[in-house]
Amino acid sequence: KNQVEQSPQSLIILEGKNCTLQCNYTVSPFSNLRWYKQDTGRGPVSLTIMTFSENTKSNGRYTATLDADTKQSSLHITASQLSDSASYICVVTPGGYQKVTFGTGTKLQVIP
Amino acid sequence: KAGVTQTPRYLIKTRGQQVTLSCSPISGHRSVSWYQQTPGQGLQFLFEYFSETQRNKGNFPGRFSGRQFSNSRSEMNVSTLELGDSALYLCASSLNGEQYFGPGTRLTVT
Repeated sequence: KNQVEQSPQSLIILEGKNCTLQCNYTVSPFSNLRWYKQDTGRGPVSLTIMTFSENTKSNGRYTATLDADTKQSSLHITASQLSDSASYICVVTPGGYQKVTFGTGTKLQVIP
Repeated sequence: KAGVTQTPRYLIKTRGQQVTLSCSPISGHRSVSWYQQTPGQGLQFLFEYFSETQRNKGNFPGRFSGRQFSNSRSEMNVSTLELGDSALYLCASSLNGEQYFGPGTRLTVT
């Protein structure tokens, strides 16, 4: 069964600090992996998308890494800001006609 | 380009009633997917439509149905509402594998 597991479930960090969120998946075959940011009460917004052959992708202060051999991805946030407070969702798209698999997300709170 | 729009944004219904949610995709996007999001379950896939045809379906009961019109707008219907149907319902339109989500409709069933 295709699964995506994220850790930690929640995280509180001080403004200005860095943090790393983890995503492990068992989806196979693999097409791509996305990280989304979802503010409370709003729809998810795509941060990065990586295919099998890519191992890092940056979007401003957000850097995603992918290790397709160990089936792990991480999202690193540098110099966190209060506006980074949100849920971060890892989404894996399988190959073929299988359904997209979502992680349950990491809820990040950045405090002053 | 305007983003994905969903109406209504908030809805309160009572058990046993039915509800219809609407989604207008980004212009030019022909694929529309629907998701249910609850705090405990995260995002759960409901169904996907492409060119008015249901292309994929999640594991939800038959009370959940949808359709897509020739202009790619989509509707989702839930009949005989249950308390557990309270959730944020998200619609996403896709082009070239990239999904763009709408703001969602917050449904509360009392």
